Amino acid sequence: DGGITQSPKYLFRKEGQNVTLSCEQNLNHDAMYWYRQDPGQGLRLIYYSQIVNDFQKGDIAEGYSVSREKKESFPLTVTSAQKNPTAFYLCASSNLPGAYTEAFFGQGTRLTVV
Amino acid sequence: KNEVEQSPQNLTAQEGEFITINCSYSVGISALHWLQQHPGGGIVSLFMLSSGKKKHGRLIATINIQEKHSSLHITASHPRDSAVYICAAPSNTGNQFYFGTGTSLTVIP
Repeated sequence: DGGITQSPKYLFRKEGQNVTLSCEQNLNHDAMYWYRQDPGQGLRLIYYSQIVNDFQKGDIAEGYSVSREKKESFPLTVTSAQKNPTAFYLCASSNLPGAYTEAFFGQGTRLTVV
Repeated sequence: KNEVEQSPQNLTAQEGEFITINCSYSVGISALHWLQQHPGGGIVSLFMLSSGKKKHGRLIATINIQEKHSSLHITASHPRDSAVYICAAPSNTGNQFYFGTGTSLTVIP
């Protein structure tokens, strides 16, 4: 079955360390996205990619980096420059807009920095 | 102004009640998603719909493209339905999703 997989579900890191969140899809989707959610708030766009080897900043890209070396994978690195990294992170993928847009969402990764 | 608006923001119901959560959007979309998020947990995709109505167990989702409105209904609500429900729509340019702010549902036994 096709789907999108985020791992791990829960992640703990020490302050000052970089950490990479994984997002993989086997849906042949061109577009992939990373969102951040803080307690009691909505989801905000960090980065998105519509094609391999290309990605664009979203509303809150500072302190984050991504890569899109393969169509299936869009890892997100939370760097030590991100001042408040503790949050819930959601990955999504979709085919490009057309007559019908199919989209899938990962289960999310809850990152806690101590 | 948010492109996707949800109501109500918070909802408390007695077990067994019929529940409706609403989602209105102001942008052109080709499909709308309903997501469920349990406290401290991850996201579960409930429905993706572009027209009409879909049903899965006690959950029913409807969409009216002309009126730019979707509803999520829960029949015979149960405490395990307590969660945050979020509607989401992909932008027509494919550069993001528009998310509602979520409806926090609590079902009391």
